[in-house]
Amino acid sequence: DTEVTQTPKHLVMGMTNKKSLKCEQHMGHRAMYWYKQKAKKPPELMFVYSYEKLSINESVPSRFSPECPNSSLLNLHLHALQPEDSALYLCASSLGGDIYEQYFGPGTRLTVT
Amino acid sequence: AQKVTQAQTEISVVEKEDVTLDCVYETRDTTYYLFWYKQPPSGELVFLIRRNSFDEQNEISGRYSWNFQKSTSSFNFTITASQVVDSAVYFCAPGPGDYKLSFGAGTTVTVRA
Repeated sequence: DTEVTQTPKHLVMGMTNKKSLKCEQHMGHRAMYWYKQKAKKPPELMFVYSYEKLSINESVPSRFSPECPNSSLLNLHLHALQPEDSALYLCASSLGGDIYEQYFGPGTRLTVT
Repeated sequence: AQKVTQAQTEISVVEKEDVTLDCVYETRDTTYYLFWYKQPPSGELVFLIRRNSFDEQNEISGRYSWNFQKSTSSFNFTITASQVVDSAVYFCAPGPGDYKLSFGAGTTVTVRA
């Protein structure tokens, strides 16, 4: 099973709301990732968790807060977002080392109003 | 750091035509990995292939084939006898040294019936 699931599929939120994106994988992968993708652009890495510890934070604004409760779950907490944060948010996982391919979820399409 | 150039922004073909996507990369590493991903209109990134820098053998998987040439720093991808389902954005991504996939800008392939 090479499936990464993400919920919700779509999310519309106001700038004062707090919401969370969820990601889950059951492949035994030890690295999990959050990417942001704007229309007609490649994905941009936001965060990497390796063995449940945050290993990379690509200078993402603090209104995005990642959390990795266990090796199968990854959350992205959203607070006080801006309209320019509207994008497709993709979660991915890999076996753990940087030589391994990443498996992506279907994404959450976020609209900030 | 890795860098990749996908010079072709869009390619449009008629079904059953072959299509070749170019990928030129830059790296200072002696050991590295190269990946291709497909992103259909649904949005989910699908892993296609991983190749390490020590293995310059071409690879064929069904209608897909890859030509890796270290001498020219290229890792090109060919779809033989294209089908409408091949319509997608294709990303070349040189492998990381730090979990980061350096996605190229992507090539949008449109296959017309």
